[in-house]
Amino acid sequence: DIVLTQSPGTLSLSPGERATLSCRASETVRHSYLAWYQQKPGQAPRLLIYGASSRATDISDRFSGSGSGTGFTLTISRLQPEDFAVYYCQYYGSISPTFGPGTRVDIK
Amino acid sequence: QVQLQESGPGLVKPSETLSLTCTVSGVSVSGYYWSWIRQRPGRGLEFIGYIYYSGKTNYNSSFRSRVTISVSTSSNQFSLRLNSVTAADTAMYFCARAEVAFGLGSYFNYWSQGILVTVSS
Repeated sequence: DIVLTQSPGTLSLSPGERATLSCRASETVRHSYLAWYQQKPGQAPRLLIYGASSRATDISDRFSGSGSGTGFTLTISRLQPEDFAVYYCQYYGSISPTFGPGTRVDIK
Repeated sequence: QVQLQESGPGLVKPSETLSLTCTVSGVSVSGYYWSWIRQRPGRGLEFIGYIYYSGKTNYNSSFRSRVTISVSTSSNQFSLRLNSVTAADTAMYFCARAEVAFGLGSYFNYWSQGILVTVSS
């Protein structure tokens, strides 16, 4: 099974800064079947990106996904106060989807 | 808009069966895949399984011997049963709509708020 690793574990940034989150897969991700989610405390995850780079419905263009093979990136271009949260990547190219351990983005 | 709301007991005794129901509104369950995902305290997300409205299921092998997911098109609901629970099954349980990639895995575009289920005597 593909194992996802996310780095850094925690990212401390100020509003207005750019956030770059990494997701690495233990094997090649087929067909770019990689999604990203945002989760705030006490809330359900929210789908941000699927297919490695396609934004989900109603997601701000401040969020962008890129990458292929084993390395993927979620970029938040200008952090807004509501963007401070935990972000998970997810692989869905196998019958049992797996999630990464998450990156916490907090206010510096 | 699509909304999902889970219901069920928040406390289950060890060795008993955890049963949850997810009621879908804003869309028919027909034509879509529906999933259960859980998040144990302080840990990440874990896929449990999904069901197609026709009844076709796919379960995470970690749960396969203990889990049953069913769907009711007449009630616009789907359900989770997890047998022989232990303290390790204490978690927030989410129901979600799954977008399945060519019969493989799925990503999740609509989620419920989650229900905390504690396994304790």
